[in-house]
Amino acid sequence: GQQVMQIPQYQHVQEGEDFTTYCNSSTTLSNIQWYKQRPGGHPVFLIQLVKSGEVKKQKRLTFQFGEAKKNSSLHITATQTTDVGTYFCAVRSGNTPLVFGKGTRLSVIA
Amino acid sequence: DAGITQSPRHKVTETGTPVTLRCHQTENHRYMYWYRQDPGHGLRLIHYSYGVKDTDKGEVSDGYSVSRSKTEDFLLTLESATSSQTSVYFCASSRDTLPGTEAFFGQGTRLTVV
Repeated sequence: GQQVMQIPQYQHVQEGEDFTTYCNSSTTLSNIQWYKQRPGGHPVFLIQLVKSGEVKKQKRLTFQFGEAKKNSSLHITATQTTDVGTYFCAVRSGNTPLVFGKGTRLSVIA
Repeated sequence: DAGITQSPRHKVTETGTPVTLRCHQTENHRYMYWYRQDPGHGLRLIHYSYGVKDTDKGEVSDGYSVSRSKTEDFLLTLESATSSQTSVYFCASSRDTLPGTEAFFGQGTRLTVV
């Protein structure tokens, strides 16, 4: 089935530094979703990317879908303590349930 | 957030006992899912349902069964709990499986098998 590799597994940054997590697939993706899970919380949908080369922004968060639709990235500019959590990418192949990457856990040091 | 509630939120049980976790959604979503979350493994799909009485296995279904007798309820049963099933279990639902359809998650159930 569909699989995605997500890197890095952990990232520790100083508050104000930037952060990026990457999601890679060996096959072409039809779309990709990103979720955020706060510590002790549940995953919450952030965004979906569908088009080749698509870039979407949500305030300090920038999401990108690769030209070949085999990779995606989430970039956070000037991290804040509120950005702490685990970020997951998720993909779906045809009419199947979402398959999640293993996530990147972000720690922000104030 | 969509109206998805899980019960119980926390449970400690003994090895070998059966355990049932409940998921209830008020969104009239057709699809429902059970995932387990473990350190280093992310979210792994256990079972899912694509309608009343229609279910299918996920990646890690061994030792688990599910039932869906009503659109709003999806039950996960551990037939004979083992320590390897200690985990956080999340229920999720979605309107459909078309591209772009997001999944809504419940608050999670922390299960400890001793």
